[in-house]
Amino acid sequence: DAEITQSPRHKITETGRQVTLACHQTWNHNNMFWYRQDLGHGLRLIHYSYGVQDTNKGEVSDGYSVSRSNTEDLPLTLESAASSQTSVYFCASSEGTGSEAFFGQGTRLTVV
Amino acid sequence: LAKTTQPISMDSYEGQEVNITCSHNNIATNDYITWYQQFPSQGPRFIIQGYKTKVTNEVASLFIPADRKSSTLSLPRVSLSDTAVYYCLVGPMVAGGSYIPTFGRGTSLIVHP
Repeated sequence: DAEITQSPRHKITETGRQVTLACHQTWNHNNMFWYRQDLGHGLRLIHYSYGVQDTNKGEVSDGYSVSRSNTEDLPLTLESAASSQTSVYFCASSEGTGSEAFFGQGTRLTVV
Repeated sequence: LAKTTQPISMDSYEGQEVNITCSHNNIATNDYITWYQQFPSQGPRFIIQGYKTKVTNEVASLFIPADRKSSTLSLPRVSLSDTAVYYCLVGPMVAGGSYIPTFGRGTSLIVHP
């Protein structure tokens, strides 16, 4: 069965370190998204991609970057982790229409 | 992009029917209405989608009036396991499109024993 997986599920890192969160999907979807979720804010879009070599900024992109070298993967990098980036991060993929988006199980990141 | 408005929270009891209404006054002609459910510590998951009238599946029913400016998610006979956040989204069904799922804060449903 097709799926979307995130790794790691939990990570603790120190302020200033570079951190990369992995997202891998086997749906063969062109569109992939990264969101963060914090109490009282719902899901906020960080970055998204419409296909290989395409990346775009979302509403809360400062301090984050993504790259898309193949269809399956969209890694999210925190260039220099800050305590404000402590959050739960979700990756998703979709066909690009208003149809179903598939989400990973999330990565809980703590920056100390 | 059509903006959606839904209640922040709702409470219910086991065995009751729960109706969550979402307003989307500026919905476009080719927009569909999709509802997601999110349990704690999990990503959102699709539960139902519709364009007009009524749609029913094994999880829920979705009622959409003729003007499509609102929709109501109906959960029959809820149980404790239905405690979750429910999100209403509106988006076009255009093949190969660039739709970005946009989530508000959703409706936090708490089911009590």
